[in-house]
Amino acid sequence: ILNVEQSPQSLHVQEGDSTNFTCSFPSSNFYALHWYRWETAKSPEALFVMTLNGDEKKKGRISATLNTKEGYSYLYIKGSQPEDSATYLCALDRGSTLGRLYFGRGTQLTVWP
Amino acid sequence: DTAVSQTPKYLVTQMGNDKSIKCEQNLGHDTMYWYKQDSKKFLKIMFSYNNKELIINETVPNRFSPKSPDKAHLNLHINSLELGDSAVYFCASSPLDGTRGDEQFFGPGTRLTVL
Repeated sequence: ILNVEQSPQSLHVQEGDSTNFTCSFPSSNFYALHWYRWETAKSPEALFVMTLNGDEKKKGRISATLNTKEGYSYLYIKGSQPEDSATYLCALDRGSTLGRLYFGRGTQLTVWP
Repeated sequence: DTAVSQTPKYLVTQMGNDKSIKCEQNLGHDTMYWYKQDSKKFLKIMFSYNNKELIINETVPNRFSPKSPDKAHLNLHINSLELGDSAVYFCASSPLDGTRGDEQFFGPGTRLTVL
């Protein structure tokens, strides 16, 4: 069993707050780390795919960093808005089986107006 | 102009029945997947196909049988439905052209309820 851990499990913030959450994964046999955004009653949508140690990616107010040596990735949201409310999933690709992703259980973010 | 589509969106059926869920992608991707979302919203991989060839076959009861008639379609057939099969099933696709960064594109999900 391969554990991809996400913390916290849920998070409630006020509009305008900045927030961050963590994805931890085994550092051995790393190939890529995915972040997905999953709104209620919709389907997951890819935010980032990160492959290199030290990678930093940004999309609008959302950014992510990657440390493959210690096995973690952070997702940051600057100035949270109610429309950022969603579950954020990370998924590890170890490169051993084509397309096989190991998903974490997600961090559920609620942004209050 | 839906990229990954699934039918039906909702499926309510009796225990013991056989049912199918269809998935189609118009992205030209080589690889397609079926995931099951459990009651705690956890996504579990069930199957994947690459160019109609089965790649991933997780520990899934053999009542579940995927079929890929061509690389744009991956259907899921479930025999002898059980109460525990009730879940949301997501189809996904990815290009997997050999470069890293192959994000997966998910369909809207099919909510299966077994009574």
